[in-house]
Amino acid sequence: NAGVTQTPKFQVLKTGQSMTLQCAQDMNHNSMYWYRQDPGMGLRLIYYSASEGTTDKGEVPNGYNVSRLNKREFSLRLESAAPSQTSVYFCASSLGPGGPEAFFGQGTRLTVV
Amino acid sequence: EDKVVQSPLSLVVHEGDTVTLNCSYEVTNFRSLLWYKQEKKAPTFLFMLTSSGIEKKSGRLSSILDKKELFSILNITATQTGDSAIYLCAVGPSPGNAGKSTFGDGTTLTVKP
Repeated sequence: NAGVTQTPKFQVLKTGQSMTLQCAQDMNHNSMYWYRQDPGMGLRLIYYSASEGTTDKGEVPNGYNVSRLNKREFSLRLESAAPSQTSVYFCASSLGPGGPEAFFGQGTRLTVV
Repeated sequence: EDKVVQSPLSLVVHEGDTVTLNCSYEVTNFRSLLWYKQEKKAPTFLFMLTSSGIEKKSGRLSSILDKKELFSILNITATQTGDSAIYLCAVGPSPGNAGKSTFGDGTTLTVKP
């Protein structure tokens, strides 16, 4: 039972490069989320998908796009990476929009130079 | 805009001490308050609180919610070095805000031997 799996675990990008963070959950959860965590700060919601086929902006969506590929998978894309996007990214899932507790992946540490 | 404030931001104690972590919130359509523990990697769920005055307990950890005064506390008794972590408080999603949890900045607890 893997739970929530994120790839990659680490990534270094040059400014302007693009990349996609992958996330998959095997708990048959309906809702999935992408958060970023900066030093000394809590989790800030980037985008979420309340159910398959829907996506919505969170608190800090600028510079990101998402795709809810199917019920299991929710990817986050950085089209043109900027140093301000250096952060640790967490994918999470919950049973439903009223889950409420979320189960988190192990995180992706992204550095943009 | 929903807001969650945790205090203190950091705390250093010695093994055996008792600690109290605070979380206050200002949200519309409150539904639940969640506590997570974050060690090196992903946050893990501790408690969900929905009703005032009812203590949730798990071993040496306990938490209670005051919906009138809009705060929650997390108590840890007889602390151990393994309790060292960031403790995150979050307000869970509500029917009118499906999917959006709002996190505080966390309290970093360090337990010294």
